[in-house]
Amino acid sequence: DAKTTQPTSMDCAEGRAANLPCNHSTISGNEYVYWYRQIHSQGPQYIIHGLKNNETNEMASLIITEDRKSSTLILPHATLRDTAVYYCIVRASGTASKLTFGTGTRLQVTL
Amino acid sequence: GAGVSQSPRYKVAKRGQDVALRCDPISGHVSLFWYQQALGQGPEFLTYFQNEAQLDKSGLPSDRFFAERPEGSVSTLKIQRTQQEDSAVYLCASSARAYGTGKYYGYTFGSGTRLTVV
Repeated sequence: DAKTTQPTSMDCAEGRAANLPCNHSTISGNEYVYWYRQIHSQGPQYIIHGLKNNETNEMASLIITEDRKSSTLILPHATLRDTAVYYCIVRASGTASKLTFGTGTRLQVTL
Repeated sequence: GAGVSQSPRYKVAKRGQDVALRCDPISGHVSLFWYQQALGQGPEFLTYFQNEAQLDKSGLPSDRFFAERPEGSVSTLKIQRTQQEDSAVYLCASSARAYGTGKYYGYTFGSGTRLTVV
């Protein structure tokens, strides 16, 4: 599976949009981009995933560049409860389905 | 149950002691994964079950680690002769569909068992 690069940490003011970037320049055509987050003392929680089209659900939006070499997770109105480590993962479909986590981005939402 | 349940929540073991960690996946979930998460790191894959079959154990760090899922539901991760480097959070995840079927179904993780070896 392709390697991902994320900033180590980010801050965001409560109520503002949090934009978390991820680089995956070696992504293959059959690899999806997944985002999970891990709140302190909990297991990772699925947020969203996509292949090449932008995706939106009740938690977040995922914007994938046209060349698919990078993506951005958007939390439109961050709250204190969104403070967590966010993992960007690329994973091929139809083959090995285990998730390979990196070290993620630690998002701190502040008042 | 409504989620993935892991027990115990915390375990302190003396070096050399054997431990057993339990995972109760969501009822009916076919796939079950174990992950190890060291402090400040992302989770690392240990092993995968599809029903009762252990299809991938490539992440188990040594032969002291053993996992089973005899009836395709509850799973146990056993660590023999624990060492200090085994101290970590052990996470279990389950998913409704089988590994490698090409369609993604979200994995649900438990809250983990924090193992401290002293």
